Amino acid sequence: ELKVEQNPLFLSMQEGKNYTIYCNYSTTSDRLYWYRQDPGKSLESLFVLLSNGAVKQEGRLMASLDTKARLSTLHITAAVHDLSATYFCAVDTVNSGNTPLVFGKGTRLSVIA
Amino acid sequence: NAGVTQTPKFRILKIGQSMTLQCTQDMNHNYMYWYRQDPGMGLKLIYYSVGAGITDKGEVPNGYNVSRSTTEDFPLRLELAAPSQTSVYFCASSPVGSGYTFGSGTRLTVV
Repeated sequence: ELKVEQNPLFLSMQEGKNYTIYCNYSTTSDRLYWYRQDPGKSLESLFVLLSNGAVKQEGRLMASLDTKARLSTLHITAAVHDLSATYFCAVDTVNSGNTPLVFGKGTRLSVIA
Repeated sequence: NAGVTQTPKFRILKIGQSMTLQCTQDMNHNYMYWYRQDPGMGLKLIYYSVGAGITDKGEVPNGYNVSRSTTEDFPLRLELAAPSQTSVYFCASSPVGSGYTFGSGTRLTVV
């Protein structure tokens, strides 16, 4: 059974600081997704990582994937208040076909002045 | 582009009542999913469908039923609502081997 673990689950960081959110998963997978959810809203796709060593960047967020370590990171550079949200990673086992995504519990990020 | 449309957005049910959560997508995606989100627990898969006429159980199917008679529609039926079904429900769709497009969610309270 595929398990996806994120840490930390809660993160309070000051504006301007850097930090990394980690996503570990338990079985082989070639596809990892990052989503953002604002309070009371739906999930919005941030990144799709499709191979080992994949790196994607959008603004102050950068995601990477190491399939051998079964680890993805979401790095936040010089945080701003607008980044406050909950971030989810999700994994599917593409080797088994288009199986549904398994989500981590999410990391609730709060950026404070 | 409507994407994935869920109705209703909010609903209060009494214990033992039944209801159907509607989900429609206009992207011609084969795959559709229902997840529930409880505070601090991430998203848990209830049911999913790989195409019209084909559905399968997810991690937490008890108390729910689904049908997929068309590519566009994937309704979720709650029979005999219980307080444990108080949650936010998200429908999503995807093409083969790709990420999801989520609906806006249905916030359900069972009292």
